Amino acid sequence: TQLLEQSPQFLSIQEGENLTVYCNSSSVFSSLQWYRQEPGEGPVLLVTVVTGGEVKKLKRLTFQFGDARKDSSLHITAAQPGDTGLYLCAGVGSQGNLIFGKGTKLSVKP
Amino acid sequence: DAGVIQSPRHEVTEMGQEVTLRCKPISGHNSLFWYRQTMMRGLELLIYFNNNVPIDDSGMPEDRFSAKMPNASFSTLKIQPSEPRDSAVYFCASTTLSGAGNTIYFGEGSWLTVV
Repeated sequence: TQLLEQSPQFLSIQEGENLTVYCNSSSVFSSLQWYRQEPGEGPVLLVTVVTGGEVKKLKRLTFQFGDARKDSSLHITAAQPGDTGLYLCAGVGSQGNLIFGKGTKLSVKP
Repeated sequence: DAGVIQSPRHEVTEMGQEVTLRCKPISGHNSLFWYRQTMMRGLELLIYFNNNVPIDDSGMPEDRFSAKMPNASFSTLKIQPSEPRDSAVYFCASTTLSGAGNTIYFGEGSWLTVV
């Protein structure tokens, strides 16, 4: 069974701080995606990483895919209250379906 | 463009009643997924369809749950009889499944409370 573990589960920080959340697995994934979910809405895709060692940047967000394609990280620089939400990583499983981690709930206080 | 459309948005029902959740995927998408989200278990894949055919239903909790996709533009998830532990947010999502890195689009979810 392919599983994704995310850490930390909860994170509460002040505006302007930096943070990193992690997504780890013992399985290799062909690609990995990061989603953000706001209260009352469905998850929205932020980025897809495909190549081992790949780094992608989306404004203040930096995503990295591990060399072995088993893990990923999301780093946010100078967090803003608008970054508040549930961040989910998801790996593309062997049958093409998405397997989600349980998420990191981020709260950024002004 | 219309996204994935789910109904109802909210439903409160009594234990033992039948619940039917509905989903209209994005036009042109050939894969549809049903997920359930709870605080304890996160987002769990219940079942997914490719070209209207169920591919993997191993996530369906038990026989009380059933899903159909009679055509490319409509799917239902039915719970009969419902139980309080079925209370969760149920998401439908769709995509064009063509390899790694597909973008999956989620609906806004159906919030189910079984009392």
